[in-house]
Amino acid sequence: GENVEQHPSTLSVQEGDSAVIKCTYSDSASNYFPWYKQELGKRPQLIIDIRSNVGEKKDQRIAVTLNKTAKHFSLHITETQPEDSAVYFCAASRTGGSYIPTFGRGTSLIVHP
Amino acid sequence: DAGITQSPRHKVTETGTPVTLRCHQTENHRYMYWYRQDPGHGLRLIHYSYGVKDTDKGEVSDGYSVSRSKTEDFLLTLESATSSQTSVYFCAIKSDTEAFFGQGTRLTVV
Repeated sequence: GENVEQHPSTLSVQEGDSAVIKCTYSDSASNYFPWYKQELGKRPQLIIDIRSNVGEKKDQRIAVTLNKTAKHFSLHITETQPEDSAVYFCAASRTGGSYIPTFGRGTSLIVHP
Repeated sequence: DAGITQSPRHKVTETGTPVTLRCHQTENHRYMYWYRQDPGHGLRLIHYSYGVKDTDKGEVSDGYSVSRSKTEDFLLTLESATSSQTSVYFCAIKSDTEAFFGQGTRLTVV
């Protein structure tokens, strides 16, 4: 089955800095890579995703890059703000309802004002 | 929100008692999942369902059972709760790509 490794487990930055979270996956058949944000006491929610036919995707201050050859993908947050503080999960899956997403262990991002 | 609710939201129970958590969806999704979330372990799959009466085990299924008698409801039962099952439990439904999570149930076994 799929195995997803996520690093770092904790990331502390100053407001305005950039933050990068990295994930690797094992199953070359995976073609869908979502990122979820979980604020304290709340449910994980999708913030951005990327499919294997795309190398990079941006949405305002967040971007995701994918290297299929190396089987790794990364989340980039620029100009971090205190409200970016949360736990971020990466996941790997295949498109199609029957495929179960496999999650990384999460990264706790702390943005200091 | 994706129309997925969990009940109860919080529960404290004693070791050895059975506990049932409920997940209810209004989206008519075929696939439903139960995860547990623990510090340092992320989201680990307990059981999942691919239709009414069709369920299968995930990576941490020992001590848990599930049932799905209707499309909209997916029940997770701890047959005899242990302290190691103290956790936050999330139910999820999945479209073609995105997973939508319930609000979570914080379960404490004392």
